Parts: sequence; C-alpha cells; structure tokens
Amino acid sequence: DAGVIQSPRHEVTEMGQEVTLRCKPISGHNSLFWYRQTMMRGLELLIYFNNNVPIDDSGMPEDRFSAKMPNASFSTLKIQPSEPRDSAVYFCASSLTTSGINEQFFGPGTRLTVL
Amino acid sequence: AQSVTQLDSHVSVSEGTPVLLRCNYSSSYSPSLFWYVQHPNKGLQLLLKYTSAATLVKGINGFEAEFKKSETSFHLTKPSAHMSDAAEYFCVVRGGSGYSTLTFGKGTMLLVSP
Repeated sequence: DAGVIQSPRHEVTEMGQEVTLRCKPISGHNSLFWYRQTMMRGLELLIYFNNNVPIDDSGMPEDRFSAKMPNASFSTLKIQPSEPRDSAVYFCASSLTTSGINEQFFGPGTRLTVL
Repeated sequence: AQSVTQLDSHVSVSEGTPVLLRCNYSSSYSPSLFWYVQHPNKGLQLLLKYTSAATLVKGINGFEAEFKKSETSFHLTKPSAHMSDAAEYFCVVRGGSGYSTLTFGKGTMLLVSP
C-alpha cells in the first residue's frame, strides 16, 4: 500500500487566498484525522471523521477552516481566507477503527506558508 | 481527560550509548499508549504501542518501552543509540474506545553525536 497520500507537499500563498489541502487515506481505513503541527503548539487534532462523517471538529480553529470527506478515499481541508498564523505543517492520518486499539498512520504532511 | 508530559524537550547522547526518553501520562481510563517518531521533514511513524497486554513493549529499530502504572510512566529506551535514531519522539495517549482521539506530548528531540 502507498500509505496516506497528501498533496501538495508544500504550499506558499499570500494572506487572504484560499488554500485547499488534500488527503487520500489508506484503502480500507474508516477513520481519518487532520492535525496541525507548529513549534509553539505542537501537534493539534483539528477534526476527525469516521465512515466519512465528521465526529469531532472541536479542534478547528475558527470558521475559516472547513473539512470535508465526500467519500472513503478522499478528504480536503480548506482555509478561506488564509492568514500568516495558519502557517504550519498539516498532517492527515488514517486508521481502521474497530473494537481493538488501532494506530493511526500518518501522511508526509503539507507544509503551508502564508505570507 | 488524558494528557502526556514528556519530561525533556531535548536529549543528547553519543552513538553506542543508551537512550532514555521519559514520558508520564494521565488518563481517566485504562490507557493505550504509543510512541511515534518523526524524522526531519517526514510524517510520524509508529514505534510501538501498549494495549494492556505485556507491560514491556518492543518496537521497531530496537526500541522498547515499559508501562508502569504505579508511576504513570511509559519511558522509551534503547540499549545503543545509532546516528539514524536522531529524530523527534512523541509520547501519545489514548483513552476510551473506538472513536477516541490521540493526545500528543510536546515531543523530545533526540540528538546523537558520533
């Protein structure tokens, strides 16, 4: 399996622009997570989906952030409008959530820079 | 609520010497605990996980961790460091079941000198 795929790997944009980050989870996994990593705050969970349904979005910073999962093989995280403080590495992770304990598999991340 | 505290932000060792990365946890439930490693400009990779079976857990690349409930600790060790071990390590706790989320520690940067 190719693992979790994220695109783009790097994004540089100007303040006010819309940014869309994409994620393809591991085939067969039913849970998908979006994280943000910064030096100041470390790794933060933004939102997670189970069977394509958003379960907990309490980590989403504000209304400028939105996430969708239209099907089991694709998710997007959108920031509109973007601000310099959104600069971070955004990770997508997936897992197969069953009654057992299931680790999350992480993608390589998207490094976002907002100028 | 669950939380983890990684006691050292940086640990420096020489190649061939033992590694100890410390982690304390707090959990309302019987916890599931993980260690992840992140190499520069890479995603996170699972090193090992504790799921209430054996308290000494062996992971990849010679790492292991011991769950000590009385001390609420889950320290990561390796007998002999290798240059390729230089990375950031995250202690992670998950409580509950099914849809529970992961709570990450702040990370410990491991530096390995020749």
